Amino acid sequence: AQSVAQPEDQVNVAEGNPLTVKCTYSVSGNPYLFWYVQYPNRGLQFLLKYITGDNLVKGSYGFEAEFNKSQTSFHLKKPSALVSDSALYFCAVRDKSNTGKLIFGQGTTLQVKP
Amino acid sequence: DAGVIQSPRHEVTEMGQEVTLRCKPISGHDYLFWYRQTMMRGLELLIYFNNNVPIDDSGMPEDRFSAKMPNASFSTLKIQPSEPRDSAVYFCASSFSNGYTFGSGTRLTVV
Repeated sequence: AQSVAQPEDQVNVAEGNPLTVKCTYSVSGNPYLFWYVQYPNRGLQFLLKYITGDNLVKGSYGFEAEFNKSQTSFHLKKPSALVSDSALYFCAVRDKSNTGKLIFGQGTTLQVKP
Repeated sequence: DAGVIQSPRHEVTEMGQEVTLRCKPISGHDYLFWYRQTMMRGLELLIYFNNNVPIDDSGMPEDRFSAKMPNASFSTLKIQPSEPRDSAVYFCASSFSNGYTFGSGTRLTVV
């Protein structure tokens, strides 16, 4: 069965420091991978996706993610965190049945402190 | 584009009452998804449609829940009768090709 795992419930980082939010996946075949962010009292917003091509994907708000096939990971990164980055982050993989359905991880809360 | 539009934003109802949540997807999107989010269970997929046809409703918790999509621009999620454990934020999302666009959600409180 296809799945994604976000091993950390919460990540704490100081403003200005680099941040990483981890995601690992389990799929057969080539994965389509996504990151979404949810701010308080809002819906999920698309950050970036990996379909094919360059393993380093750049997205919104200065975020990027690195696809690592050997480690089956798709970690979200940002070189310098902002307090405004504090939110709930979801990793997702598209269901291989090609139905358009996304399978979401459980989410990681990012807390950036001034 | 106004995005995915959900109404109401907040709903407070008494146990036993019928609740109807509404969603207008983005024009041209051929998939529509209903999710429920709670602290305990996270983000749960309830049901999704492709070209207005329900594809998978295995996430619908009970017969009290039903969803319809009478046309490409409108969907409803109904709970009848509602119970306090249905209290959650309900999200609608629509999709074309890869990636979803989420609505802002309906926060349902059943007292």
